[in-house]
Amino acid sequence: AQSVTQPDIHITVSEGASLELRCNYSYGATPYLFWYVQSPGQGLQLLLKYFSGDTLVQGIKGFEAEFKRSQSSFNLRKPSVHWSDAAEYFCAVGGDTGGFKTIFGAGTRLFVKA
Amino acid sequence: NAGVTQTPKFQVLKTGQSMTLQCAQDMNHEYMSWYRQDPGMGLRLIHYSVGAGITDQGEVPNGYNVSRSTTEDFPLRLLSAAPSQTSVYFCASRRDRTPYEQYFGPGTRLTVT
Repeated sequence: AQSVTQPDIHITVSEGASLELRCNYSYGATPYLFWYVQSPGQGLQLLLKYFSGDTLVQGIKGFEAEFKRSQSSFNLRKPSVHWSDAAEYFCAVGGDTGGFKTIFGAGTRLFVKA
Repeated sequence: NAGVTQTPKFQVLKTGQSMTLQCAQDMNHEYMSWYRQDPGMGLRLIHYSVGAGITDQGEVPNGYNVSRSTTEDFPLRLLSAAPSQTSVYFCASRRDRTPYEQYFGPGTRLTVT
């Protein structure tokens, strides 16, 4: 079955500290992987995506993610967190099975302390 | 481009009432979807459409109807609202069926009492 697991419901980091949000997926074919961010009261915005090629992908707002096929993971990282990064982050997987539907994880809420 | 627009932003319904959530996009995208977002559950797909006149069920379709008469519009109808349908509803579109990124509307917060 296709699924996405984000093990951390919420994470708190200090401003300026590094960040890693975990994402594991289960998918029966070549996965297309996404990270979205949702600020309070807003819709989802795409941070970055992986389709193929270089397994380290760069996104907007200084985020990057690394695809590790052997671990079925697509973790999101940022070297130095800013207060404005406080939001909810969703990992998602899609592909050429299941009617091209996108499966979302439950989300990780990031809190940033001064 | 306005992108994906949704109306209304907020709505309160009584149990048994019906209503339609509106969604429109101006990007000429073929693929449109409706999701509901509930705490701790991420986004769950309600219905989706791969083009005008073509719709299909997602993960949680019960209690909802959709139609797609034009490329631009994809309304979601609640036939007889229930408290379990209290949620935030997002409409999304993408270029076509291939899994490119989706563009999301700002959401509709629905409360059913």
